[in-house]
Amino acid sequence: ETGVTQTPRHLVMGMTNKKSLKCEQHLGHNAMYWYKQSAKKPLELMFVYNFKEQTENNSVPSRFSPECPNSSHLFLHLHTLQPEDSALYLCASSRGRDRGFRNTEAFFGQGTRLTVV
Amino acid sequence: QKEVEQDPGPLSVPEGAIVSLNCTYSNSAFQYFMWYRQYSRKGPELLMYTYSSGNKEDGRFTAQVDKSSKYISLFIRDSQPSDSATYLCAMKQRAGAQKLVFGQGTRLTINP
Repeated sequence: ETGVTQTPRHLVMGMTNKKSLKCEQHLGHNAMYWYKQSAKKPLELMFVYNFKEQTENNSVPSRFSPECPNSSHLFLHLHTLQPEDSALYLCASSRGRDRGFRNTEAFFGQGTRLTVV
Repeated sequence: QKEVEQDPGPLSVPEGAIVSLNCTYSNSAFQYFMWYRQYSRKGPELLMYTYSSGNKEDGRFTAQVDKSSKYISLFIRDSQPSDSATYLCAMKQRAGAQKLVFGQGTRLTINP
């Protein structure tokens, strides 16, 4: 276990459904991330939160809506998704961003395998 | 052109072989280089972390960075079936930077 827990592990949803992915970290970190991992493509950073504030939105469509109520919890709200959004969604956490030399190693959860039908 | 290029494989080798995994990149600003290992149905876990050019060894694993060629490698000695996984290279510009750029990942199988 990496200290980052994601639920559910698997999700099948229709294009008109609304669902949410949940991530919780027990590492005392201040930064949390959502990544998308599709077959045959590199991991894509979607969102970054530092101290509950969104600091990066990597041109993600509005049908993906993140929420970070505190430094330990992160949600990804999903609505009106497309079949091409089917992928493994990974949550990660790390120390907060640093302008110095401290490393911000990311620890990943096991992911939610999402299938949009 | 992708910022980071990595051959997706699959790569299949016999147990005990030396494995070489590689990535090339185009952005000369990258200074920190990582290798992640991802087992099936799991998230990536950090395996090796290196700064700038040079070698770093950790047990059976050696990470090598050649910034002049924009080329990084991961060597696995005495490979084991438990090393079968997808290996992802990643890089960033500063230690404290949060934006990692990943390669596509190489799927590796070690055959007993």
